[in-house]
Amino acid sequence: DQQVKQNSPSLSVQEGRISILNCDYTNSMFDYFLWYKKYPAEGPTFLISISSIKDKNEDGRFTVFLNKSAKHLSLHIVPSQPGDSAVYFCAATDSNSGYALNFGKGTSLLVTP
Amino acid sequence: GAGVSQTPSNKVTEKGKYVELRCDPISGHTALYWYRQSLGQGPEFLIYFQGTGAADDSGLPNDRFFAVRPEGSVSTLKIQRTERGDSAVYLCASSHGLAATDTQYFGPGTRLTVL
Repeated sequence: DQQVKQNSPSLSVQEGRISILNCDYTNSMFDYFLWYKKYPAEGPTFLISISSIKDKNEDGRFTVFLNKSAKHLSLHIVPSQPGDSAVYFCAATDSNSGYALNFGKGTSLLVTP
Repeated sequence: GAGVSQTPSNKVTEKGKYVELRCDPISGHTALYWYRQSLGQGPEFLIYFQGTGAADDSGLPNDRFFAVRPEGSVSTLKIQRTERGDSAVYLCASSHGLAATDTQYFGPGTRLTVL
């Protein structure tokens, strides 16, 4: 069963506006969360992560928010740029197991000029 | 420096054949992972190595799948008696250490097509 869910297969945003990508998880043992970005014919590239002891982590234009009670996280990209167009995967892991990442199905983001 | 490399980039085979997929991790990375990404899905964990030993192979779908890492660096994923359902992109990743916070760096993948 899918423990990490990304319910929006695609999202289109205008350049300069905010992109918000959402992710839900079901396993309460997950305590570390990551976002990966994937361009066609390339492997996923790590973007940003957050530990369950935090509710926000920011890196430049990218911010991840975590709501543990709702088992929900989101990735905000501000401002969005055409080069951000890619598939974004949400992933989660239980740090006690330490290694296997559980991925969502991905959201395809298109940033239009 | 060089990233994770995988060969071949594409592999087409016939049902019932044997295939080997190779992964060269980032130099110095002790942990190596294999994932499989089917069409429309996210990557799915298969197996993880710490050094030469398979620390967790719980994600391997059945006994037709096997992976080795004999010298603690390069790894080979082996699939016997391939089936059409094995068609997917096989991704390899490596990380410096064992913690969840050690970033997993992915290779470009091998696209396997079983006819």
